[in-house]
Amino acid sequence: GENVEQHPSTLSVQEGDSAVIKCTYSDSASNYFPWYKQELGKRPQLIIDIRSNVGEKKDQRIAVTLNKTAKHFSLHITETQPEDSAVYFCAASAGGTSYGKLTFGQGTILTVHP
Amino acid sequence: SAVISQKPSRDICQRGTSLTIQCQVDSQVTMMFWYRQQPGQSLTLIATANQGSEATYESGFVIDKFPISRPNLTFSTLTVSNMSPEDSSIYLCSVGIDRGEQYFGPGTRLTVT
Repeated sequence: GENVEQHPSTLSVQEGDSAVIKCTYSDSASNYFPWYKQELGKRPQLIIDIRSNVGEKKDQRIAVTLNKTAKHFSLHITETQPEDSAVYFCAASAGGTSYGKLTFGQGTILTVHP
Repeated sequence: SAVISQKPSRDICQRGTSLTIQCQVDSQVTMMFWYRQQPGQSLTLIATANQGSEATYESGFVIDKFPISRPNLTFSTLTVSNMSPEDSSIYLCSVGIDRGEQYFGPGTRLTVT
């Protein structure tokens, strides 16, 4: 089955700096890669996603890149703010009989210092 | 995105008992899933809740321990049976929309003593 590795496990930045979180996946059939933000005691929130037919997607201060050949994808947050502090999870999903099933990375605790 | 609710939001249960968690969506959805998030950990898929048929379980999860019902396209239940302290986790339902995007319910925090 799919295996998703996420790095780093913790990331500390100063407000205004950029943050990058990287994930690798094992199943070449995976074609959908969402990112979730989970604040303490809250549900995971979908913040951005990318499909295998594109290499990059942006939404204001966040962007995701995908390298299908290398089987890795990354989340980029620019101009970080204290409210960006949370746990971030990457995930991967394949089509076919695995359609919709998400395999999650281990999570990254992002701390943005004012 | 759909509005998803779960009941109960939290519970403390004694070992050996069972708890049924409900997940309600405000619109009909094709896909519903149940995940477990152990303390400080990532999310693990338990099963896909199939409307009108038996759930599809992931490796390591079995129907006797986690029976799931899905009587219609807006509702599902997950039962955690014969609980032990190792079952203490957050249980989350999620719904998938047609493009594969998945949204999560607020979760049920279960503590087994």
